[in-house]
Amino acid sequence: AQKVTQAQTEISVVEKEDVTLDCVYETRDTTYYLFWYKQPPSGELVFLIRRNSFDEQNEISGRYSWNFQKSTSSFNFTITASQVVDSAVYFCALSEAYGGSQGNLIFGKGTKLSVKP
Amino acid sequence: DAGVIQSPRHEVTEMGQEVTLRCKPISGHNSLFWYRQTMMRGLELLIYFNNNVPIDDSGMPEDRFSAKMPNASFSTLKIQPSEPRDSAVYFCASRAGTRSNQPQHFGDGTRLSIL
Repeated sequence: AQKVTQAQTEISVVEKEDVTLDCVYETRDTTYYLFWYKQPPSGELVFLIRRNSFDEQNEISGRYSWNFQKSTSSFNFTITASQVVDSAVYFCALSEAYGGSQGNLIFGKGTKLSVKP
Repeated sequence: DAGVIQSPRHEVTEMGQEVTLRCKPISGHNSLFWYRQTMMRGLELLIYFNNNVPIDDSGMPEDRFSAKMPNASFSTLKIQPSEPRDSAVYFCASRAGTRSNQPQHFGDGTRLSIL
């Protein structure tokens, strides 16, 4: 069965701290895709990144970086030098190429990040 | 470029009333999704369409919910009659193509309150 687990319900940090959001997934597909979305207090869902199961290269975009490890079925998200504007709920999601989810997004429960000044 | 547009942004209505939520996907996108978000259940997929055809409606809670996509640029989600437990944020999302490797892009959501 497919599943996404974000064990951290809430995280609170002080501005300029680094913070890592954990994501662990389960799937039987050999081809799948992983996503991160951000939901700021205003409520919209913003797409951040997609990763393919066959590409384990880590990715960096400004202060954001993602670490994908198939061996541990994890796709963790790190924010370096956090800022107040990073305060949001972050969702990790899985999409399978061939599995029972039929290509839909399976979301984790989300991690609420609060960055205090 | 215009993103996914949902209307209304907020809806407050009394129990028993019909509610219609609207969505305009990103132009050129082939797949459209309706989600519901609540504190208890998180984000749940209700239904999705590929090329205007409903593919999976197994997430629709019950017969009170219905969704249509009469053309590539418009979809509706209707609740009739509405109940207080339907109160939630409803998101519409669209995706380029029908393949699972493409990201879904979400609208701003409709915050629905049933009194």
